[in-house]
Amino acid sequence: DAEITQSPRHKITETGRQVTLACHQTWNHNNMFWYRQDLGHGLRLIHYSYGVQDTNKGEVSDGYSVSRSNTEDLPLTLESAASSQTSVYFCASSFNRGPSDTQYFGPGTRLTVL
Amino acid sequence: AQSVTQLGSHVSVSEGALVLLRCNYSSSVPPYLFWYVQYPNQGLQLLLKYTSAATLVKGINGFEAEFKKSETSFHLTKPSAHMSDAAEYFCAVSAGSARQLTFGSGTQLTVLP
Repeated sequence: DAEITQSPRHKITETGRQVTLACHQTWNHNNMFWYRQDLGHGLRLIHYSYGVQDTNKGEVSDGYSVSRSNTEDLPLTLESAASSQTSVYFCASSFNRGPSDTQYFGPGTRLTVL
Repeated sequence: AQSVTQLGSHVSVSEGALVLLRCNYSSSVPPYLFWYVQYPNQGLQLLLKYTSAATLVKGINGFEAEFKKSETSFHLTKPSAHMSDAAEYFCAVSAGSARQLTFGSGTQLTVLP
């Protein structure tokens, strides 16, 4: 079955370290998204991509980067982890029909920055 | 730009009672509206979405929502709550050519026996 996976599911790191969170989807979706979830804020968009070699900044992109070298993967990199980046991170994907597309979410990665 | 406001971060209902979760949106162009559910330690799952085809939208697990343009609302309802409905619910909006979603802050639903 087609799916979207995230790894690792849990990560503990130290302040200042570089961290990469993986997202992989097998639906052949063009659109991929990264969100962070924090209490009281719902989900906030970090970065998104509408296709290979395309990346865009979301609402809370400072300190994060992404690259899209193929359709299936959109890794999220924290260049120098900060305690404020402790959060649960969700990856999502959607086809490419437009703004009414359903987004399909991965199971999430819980990141703790000490 | 668009935004979503969910009134009530926590809602408690008794099993068998009506569930009503409130969502109001702001958008300068016709919106697309979504309700997602998140069970503990899981990702989000689509409950239903409004795409302008019909104002009353039926979703999975007996949930439905009605789009009211005059009230800029998209409230989620279910006639009779089940224990299995306990979860966090998110309303989201997209509009114009944007394919990304803007989420509300979520409502935690507790179902009391």
